[in-house]
Amino acid sequence: DARVTQTPRHKVTEMGQEVTMRCQPILGHNTVFWYRQTMMQGLELLAYFRNRAPLDDSGMPKDRFSAEMPDATLATLKIQPSEPRDSAVYFCASGLVLNEQYFGPGTRLTVT
Amino acid sequence: AQSVAQPEDQVNVAEGNPLTVKCTYSVSGNPYLFWYVQYPNRGLQFLLKYITGDNLVKGSYGFEAEFNKSQTSFHLKKPSALVSDSALYFCGLRGSGYALNFGKGTSLLVTP
Repeated sequence: DARVTQTPRHKVTEMGQEVTMRCQPILGHNTVFWYRQTMMQGLELLAYFRNRAPLDDSGMPKDRFSAEMPDATLATLKIQPSEPRDSAVYFCASGLVLNEQYFGPGTRLTVT
Repeated sequence: AQSVAQPEDQVNVAEGNPLTVKCTYSVSGNPYLFWYVQYPNRGLQFLLKYITGDNLVKGSYGFEAEFNKSQTSFHLKKPSALVSDSALYFCGLRGSGYALNFGKGTSLLVTP
């Protein structure tokens, strides 16, 4: 049963620290998405890739967030420096173009 | 601009009764619509999708959804609710770049 995996599942860090979240998409999927979920804003798209190329990162604060896909099996989302307002659950999802997306379990980030 | 709306924050239904979770959309062109479910501390799980074809779409766990173009709606339904259906439900509309725009979610509570 193929699944999207995300690490870490939980992260508590202090303001100003760097945070790196990792995602392993389902093998063969050519699109990868990063979403953020908060109570106030709901689900927001941060960035997405197709065939490892970034297509849209307009949802990310560019000065502190960066997303990459160093290879087809790994997507990363980095926050540097982190701020308390970044506290949220970050989801990675993968899929095939025009098909449904499959979500990972999420990384719950708390910035104190 | 395209958008999706879930007009109800919460839906309450007794076990065994039919349930409906509402979703309306706004898009120029043909809509690609999705329903996902989220259980506590979990990622989103795909339930069903409408791309084209029959207006009644059948999905996982006995759920179905009715696409209505004239009313621009895509309501999620189930003939007989289970307590285990209690969760957060998201309607999604695919954008031009294949990412999903989600509604704010509807919390479904099924009481015994």
